Amino acid sequence: AQSVTQPDIHITVSEGASLELRCNYSYGATPYLFWYVQSPGQGLQLLLKYFSGDTLVQGIKGFEAEFKRSQSSFNLRKPSVHWSDAAEYFCAVGDTGGFKTIFGAGTRLFVKA
Amino acid sequence: GAVVSQHPSWVICKSGTSVKIECRSLDFQATTMFWYRQFPKQSLMLMATSNEGSKATYEQGVEKDKFLINHASLTLSTLTVTSAHPEDSSFYICSAPSLPPGQAYEQYFGPGTRLTVT
Repeated sequence: AQSVTQPDIHITVSEGASLELRCNYSYGATPYLFWYVQSPGQGLQLLLKYFSGDTLVQGIKGFEAEFKRSQSSFNLRKPSVHWSDAAEYFCAVGDTGGFKTIFGAGTRLFVKA
Repeated sequence: GAVVSQHPSWVICKSGTSVKIECRSLDFQATTMFWYRQFPKQSLMLMATSNEGSKATYEQGVEKDKFLINHASLTLSTLTVTSAHPEDSSFYICSAPSLPPGQAYEQYFGPGTRLTVT
């Protein structure tokens, strides 16, 4: 069965600093991988997704993620964090056959001035 | 992009009553939809897969008699929380996959329904 691990419950970075959120997945085949962001009391917004091709994926809001099969990882990065990026970030893995999407526990990002 | 709506956006009900939540795909058809539950400051936990024209598939630990799912049409799935209790208070989110030709599927999420049981 597929699963996702986000080892960091919360991370604090200074505004303007770089960011990397970690994600490890478990899946028997090439997975579909996603990063979502959720602001308090809000729904989910898709930041980016990977299913094949270039392992470096560009998303919205200046985010990117790199798929590393050897490490079963799909870490999210941003070169310069803005205060508005403070939110909860979820990594997710999708079942290529049945579309079922399983979420990691999430990483709460705090941005300090 | 595709849009998924949920109704109501929030609901308060008394303990012991039932409440129905609707999930609609507005501009695409979805033979499959998913229901998630999210407790405060926690992740989304998949509850069940809603299948149009057949029974829903429930994840381990989810009571199928308590959380009734009906996929009435290719654009509508409903989740009924029966005999609600305060511990059922949560944020319920539905999603539907859309498969653009030649691309990976993308899961479109509804805005969620906040259920409070008093």
